[in-house]
Amino acid sequence: QKEVEQNSGPLSVPEGAIASLNCTYSDRGSQSFFWYRQYSGKSPELIMSIYSNGDKEDGRFTAQLNKASQYVSLLIRDSQPSDSATYLCAVNAPGSSASKIIFGSGTRLSIRP
Amino acid sequence: GAVVSQHPSRVICKSGTSVKIECRSLDFQATTMFWYRQFPKQSLMLMATSNEGSKATYEQGVEKDKFLINHASLTLSTLTVTSAHPEDSSFYICSASQQGSFWEQFFGPGTRLTVL
Repeated sequence: QKEVEQNSGPLSVPEGAIASLNCTYSDRGSQSFFWYRQYSGKSPELIMSIYSNGDKEDGRFTAQLNKASQYVSLLIRDSQPSDSATYLCAVNAPGSSASKIIFGSGTRLSIRP
Repeated sequence: GAVVSQHPSRVICKSGTSVKIECRSLDFQATTMFWYRQFPKQSLMLMATSNEGSKATYEQGVEKDKFLINHASLTLSTLTVTSAHPEDSSFYICSASQQGSFWEQFFGPGTRLTVL
């Protein structure tokens, strides 16, 4: 079982709709959860961090965390073509000597006009 | 805030030469820096973790004598690819985190290395 799992996609969503991205993780001791956006040929950009159960909203983005189910999601409201990218879920690695985070393989999101 | 720079952004070199890549945290002190490699259409692969003033910790399968990492200050880490070969051609990305930041990592823009 992979430590951080994401559906690779592509996920195709019409412009203006809600895009829902999901991620599961294996280590119950994880405490910090991140969503990064990566455009093709560019480096990842941190868009959301979440540390406690529930929802966290930032503009059009909402991160949701359910530690009991070991599940974290990202909702993008009013999807725009500029949201088309690969979204990486990342989780801290408890027990590692350094402050490592483990990345999922990413979900490719395509917003169709 | 949380800006990380990398230099150069792109480098082309001949097989057998060494290439140095710099990673700088511009507006915060990075207690830990990370080096990743990413091949086309693949996920990020962590190569090594470095803490200021101490030796880097390499991931399994990464040759420490080939990928030399120096983290001399709280704002600068360097990765040197020694005796580069075409198979080392890749996108190298650094990231930095600050102590007490709940493991948040901020990425540099990356360096695209092409070895001829």
